[in-house]
Amino acid sequence: QVQLLQSGGEVKKPGASVNVSCKPSGYTFTSYGISWVRQAPGQGLEWMGWISAYNGNTKNAQKFQGRVSMTTDTSTSTAYMELRRLTSDDSAMYYCARDLRAIPAAKGAFGYWGQGTLVTVSS
Amino acid sequence: IVLTQSPGTLSLSPGERATLSCRASQSISSSYLAWYQQKPGQAPRLLIYGASYRVTGIPDRFSGSESGTDFTLTISRLEPEDFAVYYCQQYGSSPWTFGQGTKVEIK
Repeated sequence: QVQLLQSGGEVKKPGASVNVSCKPSGYTFTSYGISWVRQAPGQGLEWMGWISAYNGNTKNAQKFQGRVSMTTDTSTSTAYMELRRLTSDDSAMYYCARDLRAIPAAKGAFGYWGQGTLVTVSS
Repeated sequence: IVLTQSPGTLSLSPGERATLSCRASQSISSSYLAWYQQKPGQAPRLLIYGASYRVTGIPDRFSGSESGTDFTLTISRLEPEDFAVYYCQQYGSSPWTFGQGTKVEIK
């Protein structure tokens, strides 16, 4: 069965960077894209960006342009999201989510989700 | 594309019909509209994609429809496990965006 296992919670100081990992299993890693979605406490869902595990192509939400990096390591079948210059507004649960359908079919409906990584930004 | 969901909260009893609305600020390419269910402390779960296609394993009491820029999620008869928050999401054009959510609560 498809599972996405994310790294553990992080506590960071303002101005620092955080790196969250997402290790899927149960399917061919390079056949699907992965998105990162965050959710501040008590708030809604916010899409941050998407990466193709096939060729590394990315789409990012403009809000995070210049502050977020999404990468994949095909040797370990792991996706990573780095967010830099953290502020308290970045305190949230961060999810990785896999496209429902394989590349090159339509991307963007998230059929499988990780368990979430809680990032807390506090001085 | 801005997605506006209504109502913010829907108070209903088990067995009743739930109708959730999601209005897009502009046309969504290829009807690329999805619906998710989220329960407290859990990740979202995909219910519907392509506006009306139910994901394998989702009960058929969940259905999606569209009319222009208006999208609807209908739960024909609410079961106790259906009380949750529901989000719509468009993936027709970047940036992909979510609605603000509709909470379906027990009356």
